[in-house]
Amino acid sequence: NAGVTQTPKFQVLKTGQSMTLQCAQDMNHNSMYWYRQDPGMGLRLIYYSASEGTTDKGEVPNGYNVSRLNKREFSLRLESAAPSQTSVYFCASSFSGRKNEQYFGPGTRLTVT
Amino acid sequence: GQSLEQPSEVTAVEGAIVQINCTYQTSGFYGLSWYQQHDGGAPTFLSYNGLDGLEETGRFSSFLSRSDSYGYLLLQELQMKDSASYFCAVVNYGGSQGNLIFGKGTKLSVKP
Repeated sequence: NAGVTQTPKFQVLKTGQSMTLQCAQDMNHNSMYWYRQDPGMGLRLIYYSASEGTTDKGEVPNGYNVSRLNKREFSLRLESAAPSQTSVYFCASSFSGRKNEQYFGPGTRLTVT
Repeated sequence: GQSLEQPSEVTAVEGAIVQINCTYQTSGFYGLSWYQQHDGGAPTFLSYNGLDGLEETGRFSSFLSRSDSYGYLLLQELQMKDSASYFCAVVNYGGSQGNLIFGKGTKLSVKP
């Protein structure tokens, strides 16, 4: 079991460029999430998908789009990158349920210049 | 609004006990979770409290008081490898999905 995998691990973009961050999980989880983590800010939810075919906005969705491609895969797209989107991006997954124990991928370190 | 407060930094010595407090203000509260994150790594789940009281998992314990909107993580017999950031997270239900709202984290430094 690989758990939650993310690609790429590192990326540098110029302002205005676009890119897609990929995430996949092999734990048969229903729910998947995208977070960003900035120094001193904790983890903030960008988008989530409660089940295949559904997506919802989190706390900081502006500037991002997501696609739940199938049960395993959940991608995050930056259409026109801005320096404010420089961050570490984590994908996570979980079974549905009260505890909502989430399993995180290794992260993507994105710099926008 | 929704908010969580936890200390930004804590320092302790190897072998000691440390308590990291978390107070929260939120609607749709289901429970309180704790995650550990080493520098450069991903967060990993430590514990969950859905009911008032103490949950123990090895050297780590977590406590919740719903009436006080307060919880803590207790780490005993501290080891150098416990140096990490610790996040409390409210399990919050809005609509059909439970999500996590994270605090800003407490950086624990364990000294020899």
